[in-house]
Amino acid sequence: DAKTTQPNSMESNEEEPVHLPCNHSTISGTDYIHWYRQLPSQGPEYVIHGLTSNVNNRMASLAIAEDRKSSTLILHRATLRDAAVYYCILRAVHLAAGNKLTFGGGTRVLVKP
Amino acid sequence: EPEVTQTPSHQVTQMGQEVILRCVPISNHLYFYWYRQILGQKVEFLVSFYNNEISEKSEIFDDQFSVERPDGSNFTLKIRSTKLEDSAMYFCASSERGMGGTDTQYFGPGTRLTVL
Repeated sequence: DAKTTQPNSMESNEEEPVHLPCNHSTISGTDYIHWYRQLPSQGPEYVIHGLTSNVNNRMASLAIAEDRKSSTLILHRATLRDAAVYYCILRAVHLAAGNKLTFGGGTRVLVKP
Repeated sequence: EPEVTQTPSHQVTQMGQEVILRCVPISNHLYFYWYRQILGQKVEFLVSFYNNEISEKSEIFDDQFSVERPDGSNFTLKIRSTKLEDSAMYFCASSERGMGGTDTQYFGPGTRLTVL
């Protein structure tokens, strides 16, 4: 799997936007960009994924650079419940490549009241 | 909303004992996974399972580990002879499809295994 690089931690104030960067300069043309998060003492949780176009869902937005070598997860209004470790993961589209998720260290997001 | 469940939430065992961790995946899902997370470390893939057989396993998943889908709802991870280093949080996950590009994996709350 292609490698991703994320900052170790970020801080945000409650109700302010959070922009979480991810670099993936070795991404291949068929790799999807997935984001998962892990709340304290819980299992990982899917957030969003995309291929080329920006994506929005009820949890977050995903902005993908035109060259696809980086992406940014955007939490529009951080709440205390968004305090978690956020993982940026590349997934190959071919079944032969395996279905596993390969977690890195992620970015620990702290939300201050 | 459907969810993955795991039992027990915490298992304490003596070194050398066998443990079975249980998971009930989401009912219409076809792909099942086990991951583990040693305290303070990354989440690590152990094994994936589809159509009643292992589709992929990591180096961690040695002969001490086995998985089984004994009936239509449960998915189990067995560790035959536990070691101290097996102490970790074990997460079960399931997905409806196995296409790595777009499938979403749903994780259970985990079982904390403590080996004494």
